[in-house]
Amino acid sequence: EVQLVESGGGLVQPGGSLRLSCGASGFTFSTYTMNWVRQAPGKGLEWVSYISSTSSTIHYADSVKGRFTISRDNAKNSLFLQMNSLRDEDTAVYYCARDGKSCTSTSCYDYWGQGTLVTVSS
Amino acid sequence: QSVLTQPPSVSGSPGQRVTISCTGSSSNIGAGYAVHWYQQLPGAAPKLLIYGNSNRPSGVPDRFSGSKSGTSASLAITGLLAEDEADYYCQSYDISLSGWVFGGGTKLTVL
Repeated sequence: EVQLVESGGGLVQPGGSLRLSCGASGFTFSTYTMNWVRQAPGKGLEWVSYISSTSSTIHYADSVKGRFTISRDNAKNSLFLQMNSLRDEDTAVYYCARDGKSCTSTSCYDYWGQGTLVTVSS
Repeated sequence: QSVLTQPPSVSGSPGQRVTISCTGSSSNIGAGYAVHWYQQLPGAAPKLLIYGNSNRPSGVPDRFSGSKSGTSASLAITGLLAEDEADYYCQSYDISLSGWVFGGGTKLTVL
């Protein structure tokens, strides 16, 4: 059974940092592209970042570029998101999501974790 | 303002058919990028409902169907059930933004 479990969320002050983790199981993690998607309270979904299976290709949404860093450790089946210079508007539930291999020309997310809440507030 | 435009809400009675539209532009749907749909039940993570415009993952009932034409896409739900009450999101890729984009979401209410 595919499982994605996020951790590392919490309350942080504006300008602070936080590192999210996502542990994967039930599939060959090293062969899948992974993503972070967030959802502000009561709002819609927003794609945050993308990392290919070998970390050779990485993309960020403009809203987090230069502040967030995505990475992965295939030996430990783990995905990470280092978040620096956090702002109030970064408050959201952060989901890790697996890129489906059937999605061909456009990434789609076939499995999601349960999410971890990040609250940026003084 | 989302790059992909969805109606904020739709409603229907049990057994009825409803459709949810997703309107994009020449830099996303109109550029040939596939559209995917997600269902998010209250308090839960999103679930992939339709991928590649019209394909259903294993386990998704055939009451759900997707289509795409020009710069728009649609999700249709037939034989509406109370359990279909959820938020629905479309998603694609935008070449101008060089990133993946979601619609603003549509709340489906089963009357």
